Amino acid sequence: EAQVTQNPRYLITVTGKKLTVTCSQNMNHEYMSWYRQDPGLGLRQIYYSMNVEVTDKGDVPEGYKVSRKEKRNFPLILESPSPNQTSLYFCASSPYYREFRELFFGEGSRLTVL
Amino acid sequence: GQNIDQPTEMTATEGAIVQINCTYQTSGFNGLFWYQQHAGEAPTFLSYNVLDGLEEKGRFSSFLSRSKGYSYLLLKELQMKDSASYLCAVEGSGAGSYQLTFGKGTKLSVIP
Repeated sequence: EAQVTQNPRYLITVTGKKLTVTCSQNMNHEYMSWYRQDPGLGLRQIYYSMNVEVTDKGDVPEGYKVSRKEKRNFPLILESPSPNQTSLYFCASSPYYREFRELFFGEGSRLTVL
Repeated sequence: GQNIDQPTEMTATEGAIVQINCTYQTSGFNGLFWYQQHAGEAPTFLSYNVLDGLEEKGRFSSFLSRSKGYSYLLLKELQMKDSASYLCAVEGSGAGSYQLTFGKGTKLSVIP
């Protein structure tokens, strides 16, 4: 089944404890992206990647890092989480052809930083 | 950068037609998307408009006017399962290519 898989789905952590949210897609998509969703603010793009070893900042990259060493994986790293990073995070991928730019989203990871 | 506006909430009756508007001001434009998001779930793709005009897909249609910075999503024959948030998103061009900016979403409630 074609899918985007995120882990963990739920996490409660404490300020300053490094964590990684993994994202993997099995559709051979070039494009992958991370978003956070907060009430009243909608979906905001954190980072995106057009291909292996190519990443770029979205609208809210501060406090996050990403890497794209393999085409299928695009982990989101929080080196020193803070309470303002409590949010619902979505990973998404897309083939990004001209005629087919649909984003496929993972199920989301709800992160709470205490 | 991109600025995207859409109504926060709308209510419509089952079986009716509803139009959800989206206006945008952008430094570049490659295309406009509409996504549906049910509460507690991930967004799912509805439509993608690049050129001006109306794209129809079953009960859902999406319209784009690039000169006016305006789009709408039209939902016909509303069903209870259409109760969800509808997200408008714009893809930038040039330096902003592949950068997708979402509006805050319109929460649609369908009532019997």
